[in-house]
Amino acid sequence: DGGITQSPKYLFRKEGQNVTLSCEQNLNHDAMYWYRQDPGQGLRLIYYSQIVNDFQKGDIAEGYSVSREKKESFPLTVTSAQKNPTAFYLCASSDRGKGNTEAFFGQGTRLTVV
Amino acid sequence: EDQVTQSPEALRLQEGESSSLNCSYTVSGLRGLFWYRQDPGKGPEFLFTLYSAGEEKEKERLKATLTKKESFLHITAPKPEDSATYLCALLTGTASKLTFGTGTRLQVTL
Repeated sequence: DGGITQSPKYLFRKEGQNVTLSCEQNLNHDAMYWYRQDPGQGLRLIYYSQIVNDFQKGDIAEGYSVSREKKESFPLTVTSAQKNPTAFYLCASSDRGKGNTEAFFGQGTRLTVV
Repeated sequence: EDQVTQSPEALRLQEGESSSLNCSYTVSGLRGLFWYRQDPGKGPEFLFTLYSAGEEKEKERLKATLTKKESFLHITAPKPEDSATYLCALLTGTASKLTFGTGTRLQVTL
């Protein structure tokens, strides 16, 4: 089945540590995105990538980093510089090439700082 | 700056009691408006895309409509399984970025 796989589902991080969230898609989509979701707030864009080896900052990129070495993969690293990393992280992809602009989401990773 | 406002924040309906959710927006060049459903602890599930004023889309008990300033998600004779948070998102600009509203949390009771 085609889809977006995020792992792990739950992640615990000690303060001062970097952690990497995985996102893999087999939909052959060019564009991939990372969003953060906090209670009572809409999804906020962290980073996005429209093609391999290229990515842009979203609205809240500080304290995060990404890479896009393969079309299928778009990992997100939450660095120790992110002051409030506890949140629900969502990865998405869309097929821009065919004009289909709806984004499809993974099931999310819940990150908790302990 | 693009803005999306969803109302109400929360809505409680009895089974069979139809209602509408609102998504109002101010943008400089709307390329598309999207509706998603999100269950607790899960990723959003795509429902509809609307591209131009006057457009309507339907799926089972849901119907989405679009004007130049707002979109409505009409729920006809809802069932308890329709309980979820419904998110509205806008696609604007040349990059394929979505701007999300904060959602409407819908609860349908027996």
